[in-house]
Amino acid sequence: AQSVTQPDIHITVSEGASLELRCNYSYGATPYLFWYVQSPGQGLQLLLKYFSGDTLVQGIKGFEAEFKRSQSSFNLRKPSVHWSDAAEYFCAVGARDDKIIFGKGTRLHILP
Amino acid sequence: NAGVMQNPRHLVRRRGQEARLRCSPVKGHSHVYWYRQLPEEGLKFMVYLQKENIIDESGMPKERFSAEFPKEGPSILRIQQVVRGDSAAYFCASSLRLAGNYGYTFGSGTRLTVV
Repeated sequence: AQSVTQPDIHITVSEGASLELRCNYSYGATPYLFWYVQSPGQGLQLLLKYFSGDTLVQGIKGFEAEFKRSQSSFNLRKPSVHWSDAAEYFCAVGARDDKIIFGKGTRLHILP
Repeated sequence: NAGVMQNPRHLVRRRGQEARLRCSPVKGHSHVYWYRQLPEEGLKFMVYLQKENIIDESGMPKERFSAEFPKEGPSILRIQQVVRGDSAAYFCASSLRLAGNYGYTFGSGTRLTVV
């Protein structure tokens, strides 16, 4: 069965610093991969998605993610974080039978 | 161009009462998904519906929970005889086509508190 692991429950970075959030997945075929962001009390917003082709995917708000098949990873990156990036981030994998399976999330804290 | 609309945003129920959560998908979307979110547990899939059909309910508890997506009107997630453990945020998402290929549009959720 497909699964997603986000090894970091909380991450704290200083404003202006670079960011990398880790995501590993388990899936038998080529996965469809997603990153979502959730602000407190809100729903989830799609940041970016990977289906095929170029393994470096650009998303909204200056985020990007790189698919590495050999490592079963889909890490999210941003070169310089802003205070408004503080939120919870979810990695997800698309399943053949239409469900999307989510990781447990990484909560990002930004230091001024 | 409304997104996914969920209501109510907050719902308080006493133990033993019924909770009804409503979800209106994006106009034109015929696939609806319900997820439950507990703190530090991420989103757990509950059920996937298309108009008038339950496609996958593998994440639904066997008792007290039911879902429907009628031909007309919103999708409803119904929880009968609520217990404290049902307290959570419930999110609805919709998609135009296969969600595994395209991703979802999420609503803002209903936060259920059982007292």
